[in-house]
Amino acid sequence: QKEVEQNSGPLSVPEGAIASLNCTYSDRGSQSFFWYRQYSGKSPELIMFIYSNGDKEDGRFTAQLNKASQYVSLLIRDSQPSDSATYLCAVRNNDMRFGAGTRLTVKP
Amino acid sequence: DVKVTQSSRYLVKRTGEKVFLECVQDMDHENMFWYRQDPGLGLRLIYFSYDVKMKEKGDIPEGYSVSREKKERFSLILESASTNQTSMYLCASSFGSLRDTQYFGPGTRLTVL
Repeated sequence: QKEVEQNSGPLSVPEGAIASLNCTYSDRGSQSFFWYRQYSGKSPELIMFIYSNGDKEDGRFTAQLNKASQYVSLLIRDSQPSDSATYLCAVRNNDMRFGAGTRLTVKP
Repeated sequence: DVKVTQSSRYLVKRTGEKVFLECVQDMDHENMFWYRQDPGLGLRLIYFSYDVKMKEKGDIPEGYSVSREKKERFSLILESASTNQTSMYLCASSFGSLRDTQYFGPGTRLTVL
């Protein structure tokens, strides 16, 4: 079992829809959770982080964390074509573990 | 703004060559990391460093070594490059807290012929 699992996609949503990206992790001691966005040929850039159970909103992005279920998700509201990228989930305990990423395509 | 820079964006080397990849950060971060990223495999940690002259192996250290002589600089060395080391190499840095995020450099796409 991978330490951080994501559906590789591709996930395709129409412009204006909600995109839902999911991530599960195996280390129950994990304390910090991050979502990175990576455009093709570019390096990852941080878009959200969350430490506590529940929801955290930042503009069109909402991160959701459920430690009991070892599950973290990212919702993107009013998806735009510029959101088309690969989204990496990262989980940190003593070190950072990354998922392989979910490729999102937002179609105009 | 945090800035992490890497010495080259693209690099082409021949099998058996010694390769140096350099990373510099300007935020006085304690931690520095080297990853490689391959399609379908995600980011895999090669080596990391929590302090000057300190290094720890990550998940895939074989064929690599590192050097951290100064806090701001972390070098990745391929002693004898092989074709299976063709990859995107990403450097990252962070403060020491478990809650601190990692900031990435632009990456170096290395091709070994």
